[in-house]
Amino acid sequence: GEDVEQSLFLSVREGDSSVINCTYTDSSSTYLYWYKQEPGAGLQLLTYIFSNMDMKQDQRLTVLLNKKDKHLSLRIADTQTGDSAIYFCAEMEGYSTLTFGKGTMLLVSP
Amino acid sequence: DVKVTQSSRYLVKRTGEKVFLECVQDMDHENMFWYRQDPGLGLRLIYFSYDVKMKEKGDIPEGYSVSREKKERFSLILESASTNQTSMYLCASSSVRASSGELFFGEGSRLTVL
Repeated sequence: GEDVEQSLFLSVREGDSSVINCTYTDSSSTYLYWYKQEPGAGLQLLTYIFSNMDMKQDQRLTVLLNKKDKHLSLRIADTQTGDSAIYFCAEMEGYSTLTFGKGTMLLVSP
Repeated sequence: DVKVTQSSRYLVKRTGEKVFLECVQDMDHENMFWYRQDPGLGLRLIYFSYDVKMKEKGDIPEGYSVSREKKERFSLILESASTNQTSMYLCASSSVRASSGELFFGEGSRLTVL
């Protein structure tokens, strides 16, 4: 079955860039997503990328997709303490359900 | 804005009790989902529904059932709660009209089974 892997923890200093990485196994993925979960809350979509794109930029967020290596990354520029959260990578196969990674906890220190 | 509302944020139940977790969405979404979230395991899909009265098993349906009698409401049922069902339960919905397939999540229901 599909599998989505991501590192469990990342710690950065405020003002630095954060890069969260994700690998997936399903070559037929149509969309890939980054969701953010703040403490005590549900998940909220941060950004997504269609599988025929290589890059997507949205303000401080940059998503890079390497389809050959099945690697997805999320770069957060000028990371702020408010960016501290759990970040989930997810993929959609066809137009079916999403498969989520286990989440990366990002801790931003002042 | 899309709103997905889960009726209970925190529940404490005893082993063997029947538990209902309710979820309502207000955007006329066709698809609704129940996930559970556990530390180190991420989100795992329990059940989902593409339409009223339809349900499909996810990855971990054992010990759970669901009900979708109305389009806006999707209920998760634990017929006889067990301690290994202590978890955070997340409901989500999505529209078939949205090509991105974005899921909208509720804030979660944290269930403790004693």
